[in-house]
Amino acid sequence: SSELTQDPAVSVALGQPVRITCQGDTLRTYYASWYQQKPGQAPVVVIYGKNYRPSGIPDRFLGSGSGNTASLTISGAQAEDEADYYCNSRDTSGSVVFGGGTKLTVL
Amino acid sequence: QVQLQESGPGLLKPSETLSLSCTVSGGSISGHCWSWIRQPPGKGLEWIGYIYYTGSTNYNLSLKSRVTISLDTTRNQFSLELSSVTAADTAVYYCARVQVEGPTYIDYWGQGTLVTVSS
Repeated sequence: SSELTQDPAVSVALGQPVRITCQGDTLRTYYASWYQQKPGQAPVVVIYGKNYRPSGIPDRFLGSGSGNTASLTISGAQAEDEADYYCNSRDTSGSVVFGGGTKLTVL
Repeated sequence: QVQLQESGPGLLKPSETLSLSCTVSGGSISGHCWSWIRQPPGKGLEWIGYIYYTGSTNYNLSLKSRVTISLDTTRNQFSLELSSVTAADTAVYYCARVQVEGPTYIDYWGQGTLVTVSS
């Protein structure tokens, strides 16, 4: 099965931009989606497809991709953005795959 | 607004079978794809498998020999069975709706239920 690789931890100063990346061969074919998970809560999708934001997700969340890498950019990180972020996608068999997650700390 | 709610035993002994149900409210189970995902304490998300409303399934290869996901459209529910559990199966189990037409993403999640495997 395919694998998606994320940096375990990223930190950012309040109000500064931050990029979280996800790498995997399947991303050359399929889009990634991104989820935010806060402690004790279920994940919430923040970006899916090319760069779609569900209703209620702030426009500071942006998705992009190139080659085998997908990126989630927060244009100006807020304190409430501190969370774990997971990417996911699919492979050619239709199986779903998740990245290992990135813990975002807002300083 | 679609809502999902997991239910089932929270404590199992090694070698037993984990059985969870997910009740879908605010929408029909028909026409969609439904999934189980788990998260061991302090660790990342692991996809277990999904089932289309037609009954077709797709399972994580690492769990395939032990997993069965089924549908009950009359009750608007879907279920997970995981056999021969060990301590490694201790996790929060989430049920979820997966969008698979177009980009693959999960748009609705249950709140999750903790299942502990311990003798």
